[in-house]
Amino acid sequence: QVQLVQSGAEVKKPGASVKVSCKASGYSFTRYDMHWVRQAPGQGLEWMGIISPIGGITKYAQKFQGRVIMTRDTSTSTVYMELSSLRSEDTAIYYCAREVTLESGGNNHDTFDIWGLGTMVTVSS
Amino acid sequence: QSVLTQPPSVSGAPGQRVTISCTGSSSDIGAPSDVNWYQQFPGTAPKLLIYGNTNRPSGVPDRFSGSKSGTSASLAITGLQAEDEAVYYCQSYGQAYDSSLSGYVFGTGTRVTVL
Repeated sequence: QVQLVQSGAEVKKPGASVKVSCKASGYSFTRYDMHWVRQAPGQGLEWMGIISPIGGITKYAQKFQGRVIMTRDTSTSTVYMELSSLRSEDTAIYYCAREVTLESGGNNHDTFDIWGLGTMVTVSS
Repeated sequence: QSVLTQPPSVSGAPGQRVTISCTGSSSDIGAPSDVNWYQQFPGTAPKLLIYGNTNRPSGVPDRFSGSKSGTSASLAITGLQAEDEAVYYCQSYGQAYDSSLSGYVFGTGTRVTVL
């Protein structure tokens, strides 16, 4: 079945970097863009950026520009999200989410249909 | 990017109807951009509930419905059930003249409690 399997929890010190992976299976990896969304403890969802697996083109939320890099490996159907210069406020669950275009009434609608289980990243000295 | 505004919580008795508002601006919902809704239970990933403002994916009960008007959207749950206790998020796309400022935006989230 279609699923996104993420890497395990990480504990990092302030100033360090973390790289989270998201392995896709059950569908054609290069057909769908992938997003990263994070959620701080007890807080809401925050969009971080998107990567197109077919060409590796990325777009990042302004808040993370200069600090985040998203990459992909088409040979393993895996996308990666690396966040640098970590601070305590980066403590959160990081999700990958597949973007799909669904048709209804002759119109196309982009949405996030499949989500990974999330990766907990803790930043603490 | 801005954040879409939702009420922190709504509640209702079993069988009642509750609605959740999602207020944006002319740069996102009113641009116009589609609104999607997600349901999240504690300790789990969000799940797609409504896409393209009003459409339910296969498997979502028809007691969930979405609407959109101008710069706002709403999610309605009719015939509220205990299993509907969760946090609900709206999501849209924010557009800006400077493309580096454009991107997806989520609502602040609404906790639904079944009394």
